Amino acid sequence: SQQGEEDPQALSIQEGENATMNCSYKTSINNLQWYRQNSGRGLVHLILIRSNEREKHSGRLRVTLDTSKKSSSLLITASRAADTASYFCATGGGADGLTFGKGTHLIIQP
Amino acid sequence: DADVTQTPRNRITKTGKRIMLECSQTKGHDRMYWYRQDPGLGLRLIYYSFDVKDINKGEISDGYSVSRQAQAKFSLSLESAIPNQTALYFCATSGLAVNTGELFFGEGSRLTVL
Repeated sequence: SQQGEEDPQALSIQEGENATMNCSYKTSINNLQWYRQNSGRGLVHLILIRSNEREKHSGRLRVTLDTSKKSSSLLITASRAADTASYFCATGGGADGLTFGKGTHLIIQP
Repeated sequence: DADVTQTPRNRITKTGKRIMLECSQTKGHDRMYWYRQDPGLGLRLIYYSFDVKDINKGEISDGYSVSRQAQAKFSLSLESAIPNQTALYFCATSGLAVNTGELFFGEGSRLTVL
């Protein structure tokens, strides 16, 4: 069963605007990761935030984590057409593989 | 060359056929994983391996088997394919425990079972 659930399922914005997507999860975690998937391609790691961190930045990406609410958000600032993709949160808490959400499909309109 | 290579990239087969999807990696990672992706369902873990002698079932292992032939090679088999195994399959590797590190994915193997 999915651990993380992204919201919204789909998001369409104009180029240059900021895009925010959210992830909620159910059980305790050691870290939360965000991945990007271009259509039909493999997933690419974007950023990892540990359970003792509240915010992390990487270029135009900003991730927050609220363990009390079991939620995370991914903000992409100044969006570009190349940001069009699906974005997945993934949680790791045990010895096995990451558990992925269903993803947010982001479309950047030119 | 890609660090994680999957073959074949696309395969169409018939119900009841045996299918093998292969994965090889040049990253030197011990940990390898097979995931399945269905539209709107995200990725689900099929099997994972922490080294050549270690194989573990994931969330949806029924109908699948795996072989870890070497540190660099991890194969997924469908002994008797059925239509609901039509999906996009991903191999991934990790050099660290996943509670501390990222996964590196192959480009995927699209399987269609008629």
